Amino acid sequence: DAGITQSPRYKITETGRQVTLMCHQTWSHSYMFWYRQDLGHGLRLIYYSAAADITDKGEVPDGYVVSRSKTENFPLTLESATRSQTSVYFCASSSRDRSYNEQFFGPGTRLTVL
Amino acid sequence: SQQGEEDPQALSIQEGENATMNCSYKTSINNLQWYRQNSGRGLVHLILIRSNEREKHSGRLRVTLDTSKKSSSLLITASRAADTASYFCATDGGTGGGNKLTFGTGTQLKVEL
Repeated sequence: DAGITQSPRYKITETGRQVTLMCHQTWSHSYMFWYRQDLGHGLRLIYYSAAADITDKGEVPDGYVVSRSKTENFPLTLESATRSQTSVYFCASSSRDRSYNEQFFGPGTRLTVL
Repeated sequence: SQQGEEDPQALSIQEGENATMNCSYKTSINNLQWYRQNSGRGLVHLILIRSNEREKHSGRLRVTLDTSKKSSSLLITASRAADTASYFCATDGGTGGGNKLTFGTGTQLKVEL
């Protein structure tokens, strides 16, 4: 299916475990983003990528790792999950055209760290 | 942080009424965007207004931008129950901002029958 997908949609894990959230887009967009959404904070940027093999930190990168070996995939890994990382995570993508940098969002992954 | 802030945080109106949400931001921009988020879903882009534009329309949506005051407003006319959602403004980083967007904390709109 065309679009942007995230998996899993729901995940429960324990403190200290490694968790990887997957994001896949079919538009060949250059840019991809990971956000977390928490009550009172809106959306905060974790990491972003301008192209394959190019990633950069956002506002709240600590505790997260990303990679982008292929244009269409942008996985987010929590190397050692903490309770403060309980959140809803959204992946998004946009084209290289900065004059109209609309972002397209995935459905989100609700992560609970016990 | 150049995070935008929406005002009000929550808004409840009757179907058929107009809803107005405001957004303030801190730094220069190339454009400002508005997104809608239905409960439990991802954000959906509604409209983009460039820094050299003052007003833009799309269906029942009207967006204004005042760069001198660093503020924008989103007007939804003749609201419907289906408009119930959270609305976020998002700003890019101006000349050096790349394709990153900074989102505000959102306005929760409830449209009652």
